[in-house]
Amino acid sequence: QQPVQSPQAVILREGEDAVINCSSSKALYSVHWYRQKHGEAPVFLMILLKGGEQKGHDKISASFNEKKQQSSLYLTASQLSYSGTYFCGTEFDNAGNMLTFGGGTRLMVKP
Amino acid sequence: DGGITQSPKYLFRKEGQNVTLSCEQNLNHDAMYWYRQDPGQGLRLIYYSQIVNDFQKGDIAEGYSVSREKKESFPLTVTSAQKNPTAFYLCASSRLAGGTYEQYFGPGTRLTVT
Repeated sequence: QQPVQSPQAVILREGEDAVINCSSSKALYSVHWYRQKHGEAPVFLMILLKGGEQKGHDKISASFNEKKQQSSLYLTASQLSYSGTYFCGTEFDNAGNMLTFGGGTRLMVKP
Repeated sequence: DGGITQSPKYLFRKEGQNVTLSCEQNLNHDAMYWYRQDPGQGLRLIYYSQIVNDFQKGDIAEGYSVSREKKESFPLTVTSAQKNPTAFYLCASSRLAGGTYEQYFGPGTRLTVT
């Protein structure tokens, strides 16, 4: 079952913050986050593993709530370059399973 | 530079013709994947390969075929049996198979069948 991402789309002004959620009805082992610019390949942002720590670099971080089977991506002080579609990819149950991707969240940052 | 290459970037075919999409990687990764992306949609797994000469069906394998004769190469054939082949196709690789490893994506091939 595909994980559900919310919101589906968000528009920000430069410098504002955003949170993107990825929820699953099945137990998660890992969650990946990728960003895709229009017509380009997705670019890896980070992986969160079950039992692992919150990840982050620069102004983008993410958390993994095992009880809720949910991951959240936090974008702080957004920049124009953050615009794109964000996808979460989830690995269910155990290590070694393939990723199932959510439908994506479109983020637009305006000057 | 290490990475994944896909060719061609754009491909046009007539209905009823088979077409093969190329994917090559020089990252020395064992695992390779093919995904399909439709407008406004997420990525759906077509096939994946964990090792040379072995591959498994993903969620939407019907109408597609693959081969993995070399570690570096994982071509995808879209056959005439695929009911709605027009889409953006992405190839990816990872050090090993599974969700624990970061996936690297190629630039994609946009296939249009008329």
